[in-house]
Amino acid sequence: DAGITQSPRHKVTETGTPVTLRCHQTENHRYMYWYRQDPGHGLRLIHYSYGVKDTDKGEVSDGYSVSRSKTEDFLLTLESATSSQTSVYFCAISTGLETQYFGPGTRLLVL
Amino acid sequence: AQKVTQAQTEISVVEKEDVTLDCVYETRDTTYYLFWYKQPPSGELVFLIRRNSFDEQNEISGRYSWNFQKSTSSFNFTITASQVVDSAVYFCALKNSGGSNYKLTFGKGTLLTVNP
Repeated sequence: DAGITQSPRHKVTETGTPVTLRCHQTENHRYMYWYRQDPGHGLRLIHYSYGVKDTDKGEVSDGYSVSRSKTEDFLLTLESATSSQTSVYFCAISTGLETQYFGPGTRLLVL
Repeated sequence: AQKVTQAQTEISVVEKEDVTLDCVYETRDTTYYLFWYKQPPSGELVFLIRRNSFDEQNEISGRYSWNFQKSTSSFNFTITASQVVDSAVYFCALKNSGGSNYKLTFGKGTLLTVNP
């Protein structure tokens, strides 16, 4: 158990509304990641963080922003949700630059 | 560029059969890591194994074994005497150790169904 929680676990929202997903870890890991999982695409990296206030884009970052003001929390924000952002979102952590451990996921439906 | 191919989209077996899940990867780096993850129907992603590119020794863990061959860029996963609880989507993933070393590239997964 890597001590990762995600909230909310399920969310339904409407197109155009802002949405924030939270990833919380209890073990002070430096690296945190946000992925989305979609049928036919596997998992794709949205954003990642290599320290407090240090973040960078992944391969599918358009329409998403992130913030990390504390080591334990990594927030993913959809500024104006669209139906194409309906997905399952996974947070992950890694102790160094090797194995990534995943949270339980958040199912987001944008109507 | 790096890429992971899991050519088997779905596999269906009967309990107690052996099954091999294929994974072929592409990378220009000489040092990298390969992973397998399991995603059961409950949805979580469970880490199974990590293998370094400089360690081609095969690994066995209970009913699970992994065959890493650099010559064919493959990292195949075998489940011996499969059980219904093995039913899941299995993902192979690749991570380079240098440059953009944060990036974990996943294959699209293989859905394994083990029937009683």
